[in-house]
Order: sequence, then structure tokens, then C-alpha cells
Amino acid sequence: GDSVTQMEGPVTLSEEAFLTINCTYTATGYPSLFWYVQYPGEGLQLLLKATKADDKGSNKGFEATYRKETTSFHLEKGSVQVSDSAVYFCALEGGNNRLAFGKGNQVVVIP
Amino acid sequence: GAGVSQSPSNKVTEKGKDVELRCDPISGHTALYWYRQSLGQGLEFLIYFQGNSAPDKSGLPSDRFSAERTGGSVSTLTIQRTQQEDSAVYLCASSKGLSGNTIYFGEGSWLTVV
Repeated sequence: GDSVTQMEGPVTLSEEAFLTINCTYTATGYPSLFWYVQYPGEGLQLLLKATKADDKGSNKGFEATYRKETTSFHLEKGSVQVSDSAVYFCALEGGNNRLAFGKGNQVVVIP
Repeated sequence: GAGVSQSPSNKVTEKGKDVELRCDPISGHTALYWYRQSLGQGLEFLIYFQGNSAPDKSGLPSDRFSAERTGGSVSTLTIQRTQQEDSAVYLCASSKGLSGNTIYFGEGSWLTVV
């Protein structure tokens, strides 16, 4: 079945550092890919999405490019802020109306 | 409403009791979803509704779980004879339609079975 793999463990970095969170997927066909973010005490929010190969999703300084050849959708931000501290989930939707999520990565940005 | 609303936000129940969790989707959203978020399993799909119909119930973990939706709006997730492994955050989400539409999540109902 469809699945998403995120890099293990929390990510701790200093303000203004470069952030990368790796995400790879397994799916039949051509899924849509998403990054969701969960800020402390809040619900899941869509951060960005891409619906076909080579599409780049972007929002709030975050970017991710749909790479079919490597089945990846890595999340990047050039200069993180303390307010970016949250849990980030990679997800895919393969046409069956259900999202398959990765395990999530806790990101902690230190001032 | 402005967003997806869920109640209760927190529920502690004794093992063996039944619980009902309620979801009020964004007004006008025809699709409604239930997910479960737990430490061991991450985020799991449970069920979705298009209108009042649930075409795919395969994500429900056992026959103790059921869900219904009435009037194309409010949905209730019912867990009968709760077990400790049911402890999790139950997330509801809604969207204007199915595939291709942005899915908006509620803040969840935190269920603890003691």
C-alpha cells in the first residue's frame, strides 16, 4: 500500500539556520504530496502541496519539490525562526481519498 | 463555522465504556474524514464520508468502531467497549469535495482509556 517515510528523530537547530526534512514515498500511480505542520496546542495545518512531478510547493518560506525519479518530497527552508518550531508531517494521497502520513518530525528552533 | 469543530476536546473513560466523539465540519464541506493520532502508530486514516455515505470503512480498526454522518454535516465516531489501546487523539477533517481539495483538520479529541 501507499506509505511515507520521514527521517528519524527530532531536529534541533539555531535561528536563521537552513532546515531540511527528508521525505520519501511509495505509491502506485501518481499521488499528490503534502507537508502538514502542527504547532504546539493547535491542529494540523496544510503547509504546502504538489500534485504532479517536478511541481514545487511553497509557503511561508518553505519549499518542497515533487521528485518522481527519487520518489521524494523533501522540505526546505533557508532561514528558520523560533516560530517555526512545530511537528512537520509529510503525506500523500493516492486517489483513494485517504492521506497516508509519515511519522512526523519535531523541529525545535533555538534563539 | 470558521473551522472544523470537535468535542469533547478531552475525554477520560473507563475501560469497557462506550464513547462518542463529535465533529462539526466547515460549512458547505461535503467530505468529512476521521483520523487517529497515537504515539505508537502515528496518524492513521479511519473513515471518510462523501455526504452521508461512507464508501470506505476499511480503516476502522475493529467492529467496536463505527461512525455516522447526518444531514451532510455533523458526524459522530462511536467506540464501544473501549480498550486501553484506543487511547489516542481522534482528528476530524473536512474538505469541499474529494481528491484535489484541501483538507482542513480540527484540533482533535484526546481520548484516554483508564
